[in-house]
Amino acid sequence: NAGVTQTPKFQVLKTGQSMTLQCAQDMNHNSMYWYRQDPGMGLRLIYYSASEGTTDKGEVPNGYNVSRLNKREFSLRLESAAPSQTSVYFCASRSPNANLGYTFGSGTRLTVV
Amino acid sequence: GQQLNQSPQSMFIQEGEDVSMNCTSSSIFNTWLWYKQDPGEGPVLLIALYKAGELTSNGRLTAQFGITRKDSFLNISASIPSDVGIYFCAGRSSGGSNYKLTFGKGTLLTVNP
Repeated sequence: NAGVTQTPKFQVLKTGQSMTLQCAQDMNHNSMYWYRQDPGMGLRLIYYSASEGTTDKGEVPNGYNVSRLNKREFSLRLESAAPSQTSVYFCASRSPNANLGYTFGSGTRLTVV
Repeated sequence: GQQLNQSPQSMFIQEGEDVSMNCTSSSIFNTWLWYKQDPGEGPVLLIALYKAGELTSNGRLTAQFGITRKDSFLNISASIPSDVGIYFCAGRSSGGSNYKLTFGKGTLLTVNP
């Protein structure tokens, strides 16, 4: 099925560990986004990639890095995880058809202990 | 940065009741979107609005793009248990290739059968 696929779905890390959250879309979308969702805070933009080969900071980029590996894949890396990064992470991509907004993945639930 | 104020934060209603929620912005938007997030899933687009004053329906859902371009409303008629979830408004303030959405903090809807 066409859409946005995120892996893993769940992850527990110890403080200081590193990991990469994977995201892939098969809809040939140019733009991709990483958001985090925290209770009472809504969705906050971490990084985005307007097109292959470009990345830009969003609202809350500190502690994260991203790689737009190709048109399909946009990964989010935590180099040294902190408890404040416990959250649900969503990847999204945008159709060139503005009427369709963003398509979101089903999320990665990350706990840092 | 841009801010969206979404209200109410949560609602507890009886099945069959109508629901209304709204978002206001500190700046003018040229696009308003409404998303729903089911538990454990990513947000899914419900309705998109592109013109001031526009009123659009999707089944029992109706949304309006405010005349001032600084607000939007979502109404759900005759609620049913599967309407449970978090509803997000999102807005975009400028055109061009740098397409980013700003999200409200969400309205948590609970429907009692």
